[in-house]
Amino acid sequence: QVQLVESGGGVVQPGRSLRLSCVVSGFTFSTYGMHWVRQAPGKGLEWVAVIWYDGSNEYYADSVKGRFTISRDNSKNTLYLQMNSLRAEDTAVYYCARGRASGCMDVWGKGTTVTVSS
Amino acid sequence: EIVMTQSPATLSVSPGERATLSCRASQSVSSNLAWYQQKPGQAPRLLIYAASTRATGIPARFSGSGSGTEFTLTISSLQSEDFAVYYCQQYNNWPPWTFGQGTKVEIK
Repeated sequence: QVQLVESGGGVVQPGRSLRLSCVVSGFTFSTYGMHWVRQAPGKGLEWVAVIWYDGSNEYYADSVKGRFTISRDNSKNTLYLQMNSLRAEDTAVYYCARGRASGCMDVWGKGTTVTVSS
Repeated sequence: EIVMTQSPATLSVSPGERATLSCRASQSVSSNLAWYQQKPGQAPRLLIYAASTRATGIPARFSGSGSGTEFTLTISSLQSEDFAVYYCQQYNNWPPWTFGQGTKVEIK
């Protein structure tokens, strides 16, 4: 079945870096755009970044632009999120999600938790 | 950026009753509107897309309506498993893809 599994979260000090991964299975990864969405503790959902199916386009939320980089390796069925210059306000559960052609997100991973704290 | 506003913030409903959730966009999003359900400790799940199309495996008691700036999610007869937080999301004008702040449906 379709599955997305995130990893790479943890506790990190402000200003440091972290790389999240999302390994997918059960569908042809190379034909879908992919998103990262995060949820701060007790808060709602915030879209973070998207990458086109072939990696040709990337877009970012203003809150992470210039600090985060989304990428993918279609040969490994893996999505990445490189997070640099982390801030306390980046503390959240990070979900990867498959993008439908129409633009909504039809399959989600279970998430990985990132805590930025000194 | 399109701002999505959901109301009410919390809805108290008895099992078996009807629940009506609202979502308003700050400008027209046509029918490019999705609804997601999120239970505590779980990932969001897509319920409705294109404002009124149920996603695969979603029970018929969930229905969506609206277009432009006003949208509604209706749960016709609440089951115990439906108590959760519901988010609307627009995907008409991006980036960014924007979510509402959520409506919590709780047991009355």
